[in-house]
Amino acid sequence: ELKVEQNPLFLSMQEGKNYTIYCNYSTTSDRLYWYRQDPGKSLESLFVLLSNGAVKQEGRLMASLDTKARLSTLHITAAVHDLSATYFCAVGNDPHGQNFVFGPGTRLSVLP
Amino acid sequence: SAVISQKPSRDICQRGTSLTIQCQVDSQVTMMFWYRQQPGQSLTLIATANQGSEATYESGFVIDKFPISRPNLTFSTLTVSNLSPEDSSIYLCSVEDLYSYEQYFGPGTRLTVT
Repeated sequence: ELKVEQNPLFLSMQEGKNYTIYCNYSTTSDRLYWYRQDPGKSLESLFVLLSNGAVKQEGRLMASLDTKARLSTLHITAAVHDLSATYFCAVGNDPHGQNFVFGPGTRLSVLP
Repeated sequence: SAVISQKPSRDICQRGTSLTIQCQVDSQVTMMFWYRQQPGQSLTLIATANQGSEATYESGFVIDKFPISRPNLTFSTLTVSNLSPEDSSIYLCSVEDLYSYEQYFGPGTRLTVT
């Protein structure tokens, strides 16, 4: 059974600081996703990582994937208040969407 | 990217009744997915809906409780039957882009059962 863990579950950080959110999963997968969710809103797709060693960056966020370690990281550089949200990783191990499992989410609060 | 709409956006229903949620996509898609997000929790996949075939349900979800229709390639409905307060959640539909593997989510339907 595919299980996805994230840590930390809660993160409070000051503006300007750097931090990393970790996503571990239990079985082989070829697809890893990062999403952002603002309170009361739906999910916004941030990154799709499809191969070992994949690295993607958008603004202050950078995601990477190590399929051998079954680990993905979401690195936040010089955090700003607008990044406050809940971040989910999700892992799929079937060809198209089935058996798509979300992590518990990391609730990020960036303080001025 | 796909644009997904859901109706209703929110509803308050009485125990024992049912609610049908509609999901409309602006392009033809092979597979649509229904998720549940309980308050303060992560998302859990309920079922995968393919056009022209029975929906495939994840462990812990059954067709009698969550019947799904998929009459064409742009539309699906999820019914939550015999409602109880434990069904109070946000229900989201999503679709996958087969080329980019992106999964896009609808805005969600917030259900409160009293």
